[in-house]
Amino acid sequence: DTGVSQDPRHKITKRGQNVTFRCDPISEHNRLYWYRQTLGQGPEFLTYFQNEAQLEKSRLLSDRFSAERPKGSFSTLEIQRTEQGDSAMYLCASSLGLAGNNEQFFGPGTRLTVL
Amino acid sequence: EDQVTQSPEALRLQEGESSSLNCSYTVSGLRGLFWYRQDPGKGPEFLFTLYSAGEEKEKERLKATLTKKESFLHITAPKPEDSATYLCALRYGGATNKLIFGTGTLLAVQP
Repeated sequence: DTGVSQDPRHKITKRGQNVTFRCDPISEHNRLYWYRQTLGQGPEFLTYFQNEAQLEKSRLLSDRFSAERPKGSFSTLEIQRTEQGDSAMYLCASSLGLAGNNEQFFGPGTRLTVL
Repeated sequence: EDQVTQSPEALRLQEGESSSLNCSYTVSGLRGLFWYRQDPGKGPEFLFTLYSAGEEKEKERLKATLTKKESFLHITAPKPEDSATYLCALRYGGATNKLIFGTGTLLAVQP
């Protein structure tokens, strides 16, 4: 399968713990995006990378959130000191990054539950 | 102010009963309108991109159209397997590549 993959698919944690999610984009895609989706809502943009550079961050991305893409391939999203309000589906997407083409292809998501 | 609004929130159709979903937007400088399908517990699946008013794209029973203020996703003779949430998203403005999503239309097609 050459699609976007995410790991883990599900994570249950206690409030105050740190969690880290991984995303592997489609291999030839140089843009990688993180979104968050809560029940009944559309995905909300968090941040995006072009190669290893983090080019845009949403104000939703508080100080407790950090994302990296160290070698321009896979990316990690870490949430420190989790809160119950962090419970959501975390989606990763990737795109080719060609001028005028921003078709983003999504992974299956990581569902986070904070108890 | 909502930048992208989808209607209806939910739609129930009988198999074979054609209908349309609406995505209206208020932004200027549109650089792409995207339609996705999302099944429960899964990530959105890309369907179409539309870039300019008058553009149309088709895939199987789905046809997407775009005007200067809205897009329609027409579903012709739907089948139960078309049941899903359909999301539209916008890319607009300057250098940003983020997508702004609507809240989706939940479609149920009954046999």
